[in-house]
Amino acid sequence: GAGVSQSPSNKVTEKGKDVELRCDPISGHTALYWYRQSLGQGLEFLIYFQGNSAPDKSGLPSDRFSAERTGGSVSTLTIQRTQQEDSAVYLCASSPGTGAQAKNIQYFGAGTRLSVL
Amino acid sequence: KQEVTQIPAALSVPEGENLVLNCSFTDSAIYNLQWFRQDPGKGLTSLLLIQSSQREQTSGRLNASLDKSSGRSTLYIAASQPGDSATYLCAVSSNTGKLIFGQGTTLQVKP
Repeated sequence: GAGVSQSPSNKVTEKGKDVELRCDPISGHTALYWYRQSLGQGLEFLIYFQGNSAPDKSGLPSDRFSAERTGGSVSTLTIQRTQQEDSAVYLCASSPGTGAQAKNIQYFGAGTRLSVL
Repeated sequence: KQEVTQIPAALSVPEGENLVLNCSFTDSAIYNLQWFRQDPGKGLTSLLLIQSSQREQTSGRLNASLDKSSGRSTLYIAASQPGDSATYLCAVSSNTGKLIFGQGTTLQVKP
Protein backbone atom coordinates (compact mmCIF):
# COMPACT_ATOMS: atom_id res chain seq x y z
CA GLY A 1 0.00 0.00 0.00
CA ALA A 2 0.91 3.64 -0.32
CA GLY A 3 0.48 4.61 3.33
CA VAL A 4 2.13 3.85 6.67
CA SER A 5 1.23 0.35 7.79
CA GLN A 6 1.23 -0.83 11.40
CA SER A 7 0.75 -4.31 12.77
CA PRO A 8 -0.94 -5.76 14.64
CA SER A 9 -3.89 -3.39 14.74
CA ASN A 10 -4.84 -4.73 18.17
CA LYS A 11 -2.79 -6.58 20.75
CA VAL A 12 -3.96 -7.96 24.06
CA THR A 13 -1.27 -9.28 26.37
CA GLU A 14 -0.79 -10.29 29.95
CA LYS A 15 1.17 -8.19 32.39
CA GLY A 16 4.83 -9.17 32.34
CA LYS A 17 4.90 -10.40 28.74
CA ASP A 18 7.02 -8.82 26.00
CA VAL A 19 5.38 -7.33 22.89
CA GLU A 20 6.65 -6.19 19.50
CA LEU A 21 4.90 -3.57 17.41
CA ARG A 22 5.76 -3.13 13.76
CA CYS A 23 5.74 -0.11 11.47
CA ASP A 24 6.19 -0.10 7.69
CA PRO A 25 6.77 3.49 6.57
CA ILE A 26 6.02 4.96 3.19
CA SER A 27 8.66 3.80 0.73
CA GLY A 28 11.53 6.26 0.48
CA HIS A 29 10.73 8.14 3.68
CA THR A 30 13.94 8.55 5.68
CA ALA A 31 12.42 9.82 8.92
CA LEU A 32 10.25 7.63 11.15
CA TYR A 33 8.55 8.57 14.41
CA TRP A 34 6.83 6.64 17.18
CA TYR A 35 4.15 8.27 19.36
CA ARG A 36 1.90 6.97 22.10
CA GLN A 37 -1.68 8.05 22.71
CA SER A 38 -3.17 7.21 26.08
CA LEU A 39 -6.15 8.45 28.05
CA GLY A 40 -5.24 11.40 30.17
CA GLN A 41 -1.83 11.87 28.55
CA GLY A 42 -2.73 12.78 25.02
CA LEU A 43 -0.32 12.10 22.19
CA GLU A 44 3.33 11.83 23.28
CA PHE A 45 6.51 11.53 21.26
CA LEU A 46 8.56 8.40 21.96
CA ILE A 47 11.47 8.16 19.50
CA TYR A 48 12.53 9.23 16.05
CA PHE A 49 14.76 7.63 13.45
CA GLN A 50 16.73 9.23 10.66
CA GLY A 51 17.69 6.29 8.51
CA ASN A 52 18.64 3.49 10.90
CA SER A 53 19.91 5.70 13.69
CA ALA A 54 17.84 7.21 16.51
CA PRO A 55 19.13 10.70 17.34
CA ASP A 56 16.27 11.36 19.76
CA LYS A 57 15.03 8.71 22.18
CA SER A 58 13.99 11.22 24.79
CA GLY A 59 10.35 10.16 24.86
CA LEU A 60 10.88 6.50 25.74
CA PRO A 61 9.27 6.20 29.20
CA SER A 62 11.59 3.56 30.66
CA ASP A 63 14.33 1.09 29.79
CA ARG A 64 11.61 -1.51 29.12
CA PHE A 65 10.98 0.33 25.86
CA SER A 66 13.30 -0.02 22.89
CA ALA A 67 13.05 0.42 19.14
CA GLU A 68 15.09 -0.39 16.10
CA ARG A 69 14.96 0.28 12.42
CA THR A 70 16.59 -1.84 9.77
CA GLY A 71 17.41 -1.14 6.14
CA GLY A 72 16.10 2.40 6.57
CA SER A 73 12.62 0.98 6.36
CA VAL A 74 10.72 -1.22 8.84
CA SER A 75 10.81 -0.29 12.52
CA THR A 76 9.95 -2.39 15.55
CA LEU A 77 8.99 -1.01 18.95
CA THR A 78 9.54 -3.54 21.74
CA ILE A 79 8.07 -3.32 25.20
CA GLN A 80 9.51 -5.76 27.73
CA ARG A 81 7.71 -6.93 30.87
CA THR A 82 4.57 -5.01 29.98
CA GLN A 83 2.67 -3.16 32.67
CA GLN A 84 -0.95 -2.04 32.72
CA GLU A 85 0.11 1.59 32.30
CA ASP A 86 1.61 0.65 28.93
CA SER A 87 -1.94 0.23 27.58
CA ALA A 88 -2.34 2.82 24.84
CA VAL A 89 -2.50 3.32 21.09
CA TYR A 90 0.98 3.35 19.57
CA LEU A 91 1.20 5.44 16.41
CA CYS A 92 3.93 5.48 13.82
CA ALA A 93 4.55 8.26 11.30
CA SER A 94 7.00 8.73 8.46
CA SER A 95 8.29 11.79 6.66
CA PRO A 96 10.52 12.39 3.65
CA GLY A 97 13.21 14.04 5.80
CA THR A 98 14.26 16.29 8.67
CA GLY A 99 16.55 19.29 9.23
CA ALA A 100 16.01 21.69 6.38
CA GLN A 101 13.25 19.36 5.29
CA ALA A 102 11.54 19.51 8.68
CA LYS A 103 8.80 21.36 6.92
CA ASN A 104 7.53 18.08 5.53
CA ILE A 105 4.26 16.65 6.67
CA GLN A 106 4.24 13.46 8.73
CA TYR A 107 2.01 10.66 7.52
CA PHE A 108 0.51 8.54 10.28
CA GLY A 109 -0.45 4.90 10.42
CA ALA A 110 -3.72 3.75 12.00
CA GLY A 111 -1.89 2.64 15.13
CA THR A 112 -1.65 -0.46 17.29
CA ARG A 113 -4.04 -0.60 20.23
CA LEU A 114 -2.22 -2.35 23.09
CA SER A 115 -4.16 -3.66 26.06
CA VAL A 116 -2.24 -5.08 29.00
CA LEU A 117 -4.39 -7.17 31.31
CA LYS B 1 10.05 22.59 27.60
CA GLN B 2 7.50 23.14 24.87
CA GLU B 3 3.87 22.87 25.94
CA VAL B 4 0.86 23.04 23.66
CA THR B 5 -2.62 23.89 24.91
CA GLN B 6 -5.88 23.68 23.03
CA ILE B 7 -9.17 25.27 23.98
CA PRO B 8 -11.94 24.41 24.15
CA ALA B 9 -11.55 20.70 24.98
CA ALA B 10 -14.95 20.01 23.44
CA LEU B 11 -17.35 21.90 21.25
CA SER B 12 -20.86 21.17 20.00
CA VAL B 13 -22.41 23.34 17.29
CA PRO B 14 -25.36 23.16 14.90
CA GLU B 15 -24.65 22.49 11.26
CA GLY B 16 -23.75 25.56 9.23
CA GLU B 17 -22.00 27.50 11.97
CA ASN B 18 -18.56 29.00 11.54
CA LEU B 19 -16.22 28.08 14.37
CA VAL B 20 -12.75 28.73 15.72
CA LEU B 21 -10.44 26.30 17.50
CA ASN B 22 -7.56 27.73 19.50
CA CYS B 23 -4.02 26.51 20.08
CA SER B 24 -1.25 28.10 22.11
CA PHE B 25 2.39 27.09 22.62
CA THR B 26 4.99 28.24 25.13
CA ASP B 27 8.19 28.28 23.04
CA SER B 28 8.09 30.36 19.86
CA ALA B 29 11.16 28.58 18.41
CA ILE B 30 9.16 26.25 16.20
CA TYR B 31 9.79 25.03 12.65
CA ASN B 32 6.15 24.65 11.74
CA LEU B 33 2.71 24.11 13.17
CA GLN B 34 0.26 21.52 11.95
CA TRP B 35 -3.42 20.89 12.45
CA PHE B 36 -4.56 17.27 12.34
CA ARG B 37 -7.90 15.54 12.35
CA GLN B 38 -8.46 12.24 14.16
CA ASP B 39 -11.57 10.13 13.75
CA PRO B 40 -12.41 7.50 16.41
CA GLY B 41 -10.20 4.43 16.08
CA LYS B 42 -8.23 5.95 13.24
CA GLY B 43 -4.83 7.53 12.76
CA LEU B 44 -4.16 11.21 12.21
CA THR B 45 -4.80 13.10 8.99
CA SER B 46 -2.85 16.28 8.37
CA LEU B 47 -5.16 19.17 7.50
CA LEU B 48 -2.90 22.18 7.27
CA LEU B 49 0.79 22.88 7.81
CA ILE B 50 2.01 26.42 8.43
CA GLN B 51 5.72 27.10 8.11
CA SER B 52 7.25 29.26 10.86
CA SER B 53 7.68 32.10 8.35
CA GLN B 54 4.04 32.02 7.23
CA ARG B 55 1.00 33.66 8.74
CA GLU B 56 -1.78 31.44 7.43
CA GLN B 57 -2.79 28.55 5.22
CA THR B 58 -6.12 27.74 3.63
CA SER B 59 -7.65 24.53 2.34
CA GLY B 60 -11.28 24.56 1.28
CA ARG B 61 -13.41 25.54 4.26
CA LEU B 62 -10.42 25.47 6.60
CA ASN B 63 -8.14 28.37 7.42
CA ALA B 64 -5.29 28.23 9.91
CA SER B 65 -3.39 31.22 11.19
CA LEU B 66 -0.11 31.45 13.05
CA ASP B 67 1.21 34.22 15.29
CA LYS B 68 4.58 32.86 16.31
CA SER B 69 5.56 35.80 18.49
CA SER B 70 2.52 35.41 20.71
CA GLY B 71 2.56 31.61 20.53
CA ARG B 72 -0.90 31.23 19.06
CA SER B 73 -2.68 29.51 16.21
CA THR B 74 -6.33 29.29 15.26
CA LEU B 75 -8.18 26.89 13.00
CA TYR B 76 -11.25 28.41 11.41
CA ILE B 77 -13.89 26.07 9.99
CA ALA B 78 -16.49 27.72 7.79
CA ALA B 79 -20.03 26.43 7.30
CA SER B 80 -19.52 23.37 9.51
CA GLN B 81 -20.98 20.01 8.46
CA PRO B 82 -21.76 16.82 10.42
CA GLY B 83 -18.84 15.19 8.59
CA ASP B 84 -16.51 17.64 10.32
CA SER B 85 -17.19 15.90 13.64
CA ALA B 86 -13.85 14.61 14.90
CA THR B 87 -11.01 15.48 17.26
CA TYR B 88 -8.75 18.27 16.03
CA LEU B 89 -5.14 18.25 17.19
CA CYS B 90 -2.61 21.06 17.00
CA ALA B 91 1.09 20.17 16.97
CA VAL B 92 4.31 22.17 16.78
CA SER B 93 7.44 20.80 15.19
CA SER B 94 11.03 21.01 16.36
CA ASN B 95 14.02 21.10 14.00
CA THR B 96 14.05 17.28 13.94
CA GLY B 97 10.41 17.08 12.94
CA LYS B 98 9.43 15.81 16.38
CA LEU B 99 5.84 16.86 17.05
CA ILE B 100 4.54 18.16 20.38
CA PHE B 101 0.75 17.84 20.48
CA GLY B 102 -2.00 19.61 22.31
CA GLN B 103 -4.72 17.59 24.03
CA GLY B 104 -7.14 18.22 21.18
CA THR B 105 -10.59 19.69 20.70
CA THR B 106 -13.43 17.23 20.16
CA LEU B 107 -15.95 18.74 17.78
CA GLN B 108 -19.52 17.61 17.28
CA VAL B 109 -21.56 19.17 14.49
CA LYS B 110 -25.24 18.42 14.87
CA PRO B 111 -27.46 18.05 11.78
